[in-house]
Amino acid sequence: DVKVTQSSRYLVKRTGEKVFLECVQDMDHENMFWYRQDPGLGLRLIYFSYDVKMKEKGDIPEGYSVSREKKERFSLILESASTNQTSMYLCASQITPGYGQYFGPGTRLTVT
Amino acid sequence: RKEVEQDPGPFNVPEGATVAFNCTYSNSASQSFFWYRQDCRKEPKLLMSVYSSGNEDGRFTAQLNRASQYISLLIRDSKLSDSATYLCVVNIRTGGFKTIFGAGTRLFVKA
Repeated sequence: DVKVTQSSRYLVKRTGEKVFLECVQDMDHENMFWYRQDPGLGLRLIYFSYDVKMKEKGDIPEGYSVSREKKERFSLILESASTNQTSMYLCASQITPGYGQYFGPGTRLTVT
Repeated sequence: RKEVEQDPGPFNVPEGATVAFNCTYSNSASQSFFWYRQDCRKEPKLLMSVYSSGNEDGRFTAQLNRASQYISLLIRDSKLSDSATYLCVVNIRTGGFKTIFGAGTRLFVKA
């Protein structure tokens, strides 16, 4: 079974803090993704990566950056957290483009 | 027009009922198709891929109609545990691949 883990299930941060969300997959998948999910807005793609040290912007990259130093690990960074970044953050991995994605359990981030 | 459209529901059905969800997609470059289920406050989980010939997994049957650009999911003999949101997902080939998630259809199965 594919396993995707995320560093925290719940996180509370203050406005202006730098926030790191980590995601690890154990199936040697090439591709990894970061989404946020908000009520009524569905899943929105923040960033994705098709290879180590490679990253591509998704639909809503503003205010975020990512890092992929190792194949199994994909980190999402909120440079200066703001209240409008309060959301559920979901990481996913995919063996190769065109296949299904497997999600981690999510991190519910609250920025106060 | 959204690239992937689903009826948001909710669908309220009794246990044992058969329920069908439809999903339409607009991009003819769509290559692969999936159904996911998402329980409340949990992550989406891959339920099944959808193949042109149609495919079945127990009580679940998925079908693809490329000419009409829609996919469907049929759930037979509904269980209480089937209550969830069902997401239609399409991978579009645009140079690379782009994954589009539908907004989901909410299902409530009642005793």
